[in-house]
Amino acid sequence: DAGVIQSPRHEVTEMGQEVTLRCKPISGHNSLFWYRQTMMRGLELLIYFNNNVPIDDSGMPEDRFSAKMPNASFSTLKIQPSEPRDSAVYFCASSLGQTGANVLTFGAGSRLTVL
Amino acid sequence: DQQVKQNSPSLSVQEGRISILNCDYTNSMFDYFLWYKKYPAEGPTFLISISSIKDKNEDGRFTVFLNKSAKHLSLHIVPSQPGDSAVYFCAASDGGSYIPTFGRGTSLIVHP
Repeated sequence: DAGVIQSPRHEVTEMGQEVTLRCKPISGHNSLFWYRQTMMRGLELLIYFNNNVPIDDSGMPEDRFSAKMPNASFSTLKIQPSEPRDSAVYFCASSLGQTGANVLTFGAGSRLTVL
Repeated sequence: DQQVKQNSPSLSVQEGRISILNCDYTNSMFDYFLWYKKYPAEGPTFLISISSIKDKNEDGRFTVFLNKSAKHLSLHIVPSQPGDSAVYFCAASDGGSYIPTFGRGTSLIVHP
């Protein structure tokens, strides 16, 4: 398996534009997570899906952020409109789900810069 | 309110010596603790874990110690190698949600 695949790796956009980040989880994993990494807050959970259903979206900053998982092999995180404070590295991770330590496998991340 | 705290943003160690990375938590419901390692421009990768029923878990050069009464865990790397230079994240989860909560990370630099 190629691991968790994220695209794009880098995105530079202007304030007010729509940004869509994409994630392909590991086949067979039934849990998917979106995290955001910033210097101030470290790795913070944005949203968690289990079997394609959003379970916990309490970390989504505001209505400008939305996430979907239309099937087991694809998820998107959308920011509309984007703002400079959204600049961060966004990670997608997947796991086998609710078992034991629930080890996550992370993608390489999408670095977003909003000017 | 941070439930998982890594109070040292950075640590510098000489090659061959021991590296000790610390992590504190506040939620007594946490029952699994994990350490992830992250190189620049890559995602975090799983390193080692420990369940709350144990107080030590060892994997090669890496050992994690858990002190439940103090709500404290530590990662020991012996001997440290330059390739260990990375950011280390402590994470914890409880059996109810299985959602890991991460600390802010500690940047380890191992000097040759």
